[in-house]
Amino acid sequence: QLQLQESGPGLLKPSETLSLTCTVSGGSISSNSYYWGWIRQPPGKGLEWIGTIYYSGSTYYNPSLKSRVTISVDTSKNQFSLKLSSVTAADTAVYYCARRSSVAGTLYFDYWGQGTLVTVSS
Amino acid sequence: EIVLTQSPGTLSLSPGERATLSCRASQSVSSSYLAWYQQKPGQAPRLLIYGASSRATGIPDRFSGSGSGTDFTLTISRLEPEDFAVYYCQQYGSSRYTFGQGTKLEIK
Repeated sequence: QLQLQESGPGLLKPSETLSLTCTVSGGSISSNSYYWGWIRQPPGKGLEWIGTIYYSGSTYYNPSLKSRVTISVDTSKNQFSLKLSSVTAADTAVYYCARRSSVAGTLYFDYWGQGTLVTVSS
Repeated sequence: EIVLTQSPGTLSLSPGERATLSCRASQSVSSSYLAWYQQKPGQAPRLLIYGASSRATGIPDRFSGSGSGTDFTLTISRLEPEDFAVYYCQQYGSSRYTFGQGTKLEIK
């Protein structure tokens, strides 16, 4: 059974850089069938896609966050990571990593990590 | 950016009733790129429907999806107690993914 697990600091100060890692177990991140993504959810609010990465390193970012986001992959560790620079209180959210699958041309996120709360506060 | 608007914001129903949740897009969306998720408090979203109408693995057949173009619907034929949750639609278009704001399905 595929599992994804987010890890990283839960408390940041404004202007710092958020760094999270998603460890994938029960399957290979290097499969050519999948992309890997980050999605966040501010407390009590809806979901926002941050970006996705392919095992080759190809990335796609939400234009609204693109200037501050970097997603990278480490196939040797079966992990992918998120960096979000210059955080503010508006970046306080539960951050999820997820697998993006495609069957017969469809696109969807089918496996999700449990999520990790990141709070930005001085 | 394609904006997804879900309605109603909150739906109050009783177990055994039928639930109809709407997701309307600001411009046409490929049915292949429309998915529905269920989220319970403190949990990650769970994929229910992909390709607008295909049920994900392990999803009961009381859940069904339909629609095309700008109007999509998630139907739960007979509500079970475990179905009360928040539901999100999601689309892919113009190289980005967007989610609706969610519909909260609560017990009446």
